[in-house]
Amino acid sequence: AQTVTQSQPEMSVQEAETVTLSCTYDTSESDYYLFWYKQPPSRQMILVIRQEAYKQQNATENRFSVNFQKAAKSFSLKISDSQLGDAAMYFCAYRGGSQGNLIFGKGTKLSVKP
Amino acid sequence: NAGVTQTPKFQVLKTGQSMTLQCAQDMNHEYMSWYRQDPGMGLRLIHYSVGAGITDQGEVPNGYNVSRSTTEDFPLRLLSAAPSQTSVYFCASSKSAPSDEQYFGPGTRLTVT
Repeated sequence: AQTVTQSQPEMSVQEAETVTLSCTYDTSESDYYLFWYKQPPSRQMILVIRQEAYKQQNATENRFSVNFQKAAKSFSLKISDSQLGDAAMYFCAYRGGSQGNLIFGKGTKLSVKP
Repeated sequence: NAGVTQTPKFQVLKTGQSMTLQCAQDMNHEYMSWYRQDPGMGLRLIHYSVGAGITDQGEVPNGYNVSRSTTEDFPLRLLSAAPSQTSVYFCASSKSAPSDEQYFGPGTRLTVT
């Protein structure tokens, strides 16, 4: 069975600084997709970024980028120029190529200090 | 598009009561699912559906029932509520491909006393 592990329950970053959130996963599949979701205090789940396993190039969305290391099964999220609005829970998620269910990590709570 | 809608937003039940959490989407998505979120546990899959008339169990299905009679609606039924079912419930939908983004509803906070 696939598993997703986020080893940092909480992280803190100074406004305008850079922070990296860690995620590792375990799978025997070769075709899969990885996602980072943001959950602010409003509770709404918001997709931040996605990575296809077959793509070697790391995905980037504005201030958000990933470091995808397929051999190491690692999928970290880097947030550059952190803003107060980035404070939220961040969830790493896996979705296999043969079925559509998302498997989530337990989340990392990010605080941003002014 | 309204996206994914869930009702109610909040609910308090007594142990043993039954209720239905409603979920609807207007994006013609084939795939729909229900998750529960508990502190420190992330989101865990309860049930999912890959199309009208097709449902299957997820990681934590006990105590819940689902049906999918239309593409748009995917209600979650609590048969006999227990305090262990106190949680935040999310409905999500997506197109059928695994690469497709899952869109989440706003969640329902359920408390069982």
